[in-house]
Amino acid sequence: AQTVTQSQPEMSVQEAETVTLSCTYDTSENNYYLFWYKQPPSRQMILVIRQEAYKQQNATENRFSVNFQKAAKSFSLKISDSQLGDTAMYFCAFIHFTSGTYKYIFGTGTRLKVLA
Amino acid sequence: EAQVTQNPRYLITVTGKKLTVTCSQNMNHEYMSWYRQDPGLGLRQIYYSMNVEVTDKGDVPEGYKVSRKEKRNFPLILESPSPNQTSLYFCASSIAGELFFGEGSRLTVL
Repeated sequence: AQTVTQSQPEMSVQEAETVTLSCTYDTSENNYYLFWYKQPPSRQMILVIRQEAYKQQNATENRFSVNFQKAAKSFSLKISDSQLGDTAMYFCAFIHFTSGTYKYIFGTGTRLKVLA
Repeated sequence: EAQVTQNPRYLITVTGKKLTVTCSQNMNHEYMSWYRQDPGLGLRQIYYSMNVEVTDKGDVPEGYKVSRKEKRNFPLILESPSPNQTSLYFCASSIAGELFFGEGSRLTVL
């Protein structure tokens, strides 16, 4: 069965510092996407970044970047120059495509607090 | 504005009283899905729909029903709610793998 593991339930970082959130996944599929979603206190789910498994280059979106290690099944999120507005729950998610259908699997989340 | 709209946003009900959480999207997405979010468990997929009249179970479908009669609507039905269905529920639509979420519905079953 496909699983997504986020081993850090809570983390904190000083404003302007860099923090890395870890995510590992388990799958036998070859065709899949990976995502990081952010859930601020407003509870709205916001896409942070996505990575297609067939792409070797790591995705980057402004201060957010990923370290995608396909062989190790690892997908960590790096937040540079952390800002107070980055305080949120972060979910790693995996979607695989099988026989014309696709299902999403989420990790349990990492609660990040950015300290002033 | 492109959006996914869920209603109600908050609901307190009692065990056994049927309820429906509506979900509507205006982006013409074929894929829609429902999730529940519980502390320590993350989001878990309840049901999903690849297109009109095509639905399938996610990881936690017990106690829920769905229907997809129109492309834009995907209601979640709790025929006989129980306290273990107290949760935060999200509807989402998707294109090219990316999920677009509604604002969530906080459901409490007493």
